[in-house]
Amino acid sequence: DAMVIQNPRYQVTQFGKPVTLSCSQTLNHNVMYWYQQKSSQAPKLLFHYYDKDFNNEADTPDNFQSRRPNTSFCFLDIRSPGLGDTAMYLCATSRGGSTEAFFGQGTRLTVV
Amino acid sequence: GIQVEQSPPDLILQEGANSTLRCNFSDSVNNLQWFHQNPWGQLINLFYIPSGTKQNGRLSATTVATERYSLLYISSSQTTDSGVYFCAVGEPLGQGAQKLVFGQGTRLTINP
Repeated sequence: DAMVIQNPRYQVTQFGKPVTLSCSQTLNHNVMYWYQQKSSQAPKLLFHYYDKDFNNEADTPDNFQSRRPNTSFCFLDIRSPGLGDTAMYLCATSRGGSTEAFFGQGTRLTVV
Repeated sequence: GIQVEQSPPDLILQEGANSTLRCNFSDSVNNLQWFHQNPWGQLINLFYIPSGTKQNGRLSATTVATERYSLLYISSSQTTDSGVYFCAVGEPLGQGAQKLVFGQGTRLTINP
């Protein structure tokens, strides 16, 4: 089945130790998104790629970066995680425009 | 930006009951989705419904775009329906992409 896969499902990292989360898709969608969801809150967009064009949300911390080496893969890099970065990170894809978005299973990140 | 409000914030029902969840949004949209977030955190697509009515088994949804609201109906609730239900609307980002702006969710608890 075509889908969006995130790895790992759970990640524990130490304060200040860089961490990378990955997302892959078999839907061949143009747009890939990263959302952050903190406990008991709604998901919030960090950034997105339209093909190879990267677009950052204005309030996304500089600590967060992303790479999209090809259509299928997208990575979220957190350079120096703080305790406040503990959250669920959700990857999503869409064809673009006002089309339906599909989410991966999420990566639950805990910073200790 | 677009504001999305969901009601009620919490709903506790007995198995077999019916429920109606509401989503109000502040501007016209051409993309509206309903999600169920399961206990493991994954967002499961329920409906892509920018307008009109759709049904899928015990679930149905109606969006009245001109009046800026959407309703999700769950009939004959089962304990597996428990979880958080999110409404999300699309906000244009440029380049043909949209970001999903989420409501705060309705936490549904179905007791046996």
